Amino acid sequence: QVQLVQSGSELKRPGASVKVSCKASGYSFINFAMNWVRQAPGQGLEWMGWINTDTGNPTYAQGFTGRFVFSLDTSVSTAYLQISGLTADDTAVYYCARSDWEEKYFDYWGQGSLVTVSS
Amino acid sequence: DIQMTQSPSSLSASVGDRVTITCRASQGISNYLAWYQQKPGKVPKLLIYAASTLQSGVPSRFSASGSGTDFTLTISSLQPEDVATYYCQKYYTAPRTFGQGTRLEIK
Repeated sequence: QVQLVQSGSELKRPGASVKVSCKASGYSFINFAMNWVRQAPGQGLEWMGWINTDTGNPTYAQGFTGRFVFSLDTSVSTAYLQISGLTADDTAVYYCARSDWEEKYFDYWGQGSLVTVSS
Repeated sequence: DIQMTQSPSSLSASVGDRVTITCRASQGISNYLAWYQQKPGKVPKLLIYAASTLQSGVPSRFSASGSGTDFTLTISSLQPEDVATYYCQKYYTAPRTFGQGTRLEIK
């Protein structure tokens, strides 16, 4: 069965960096795109962008350029989200979500990774 | 960029009621619209794609329709387990924007 298993909660100081992982199983990793979605506490879903798992090419949504980096390790079917220069505004749950190349809705989601930024 | 606007933002209804949530796109998006359900403290779950196609395993009391700019999600007979926030999303072209969500509660 398809599973996206994300790394655990993180507590970081302002200015630090964090790297969230999303390990895929149950399907061919490079046959589906991987998206990242942010949900701040008590807020809605915000699409951060996606990465082409075949080419490694990332696309970032407005507001998620500069400090945010999507990457892959296809040898272990894992996608990564790295955020640098953390601020309190980055406190959120971050989800990875799979989408088909043609039908681009998000059919499977990771369980979410809570990143808390606090001094 | 295309904006997605849901209404209402919150809704309270009784068990057994018919509930409708609306999503409007600021420009036409054909039928490239999905609906997700997020129960409190849980991961979002795909309910509907292609504006009206029910994802496998989703109860038949959920239905959806629309094309272009105006879309609706309907629950024909509200159940207690339907308490959740519902999000629409345009998904074919970037940015794959979500609506702001509609919080559904039981009266």
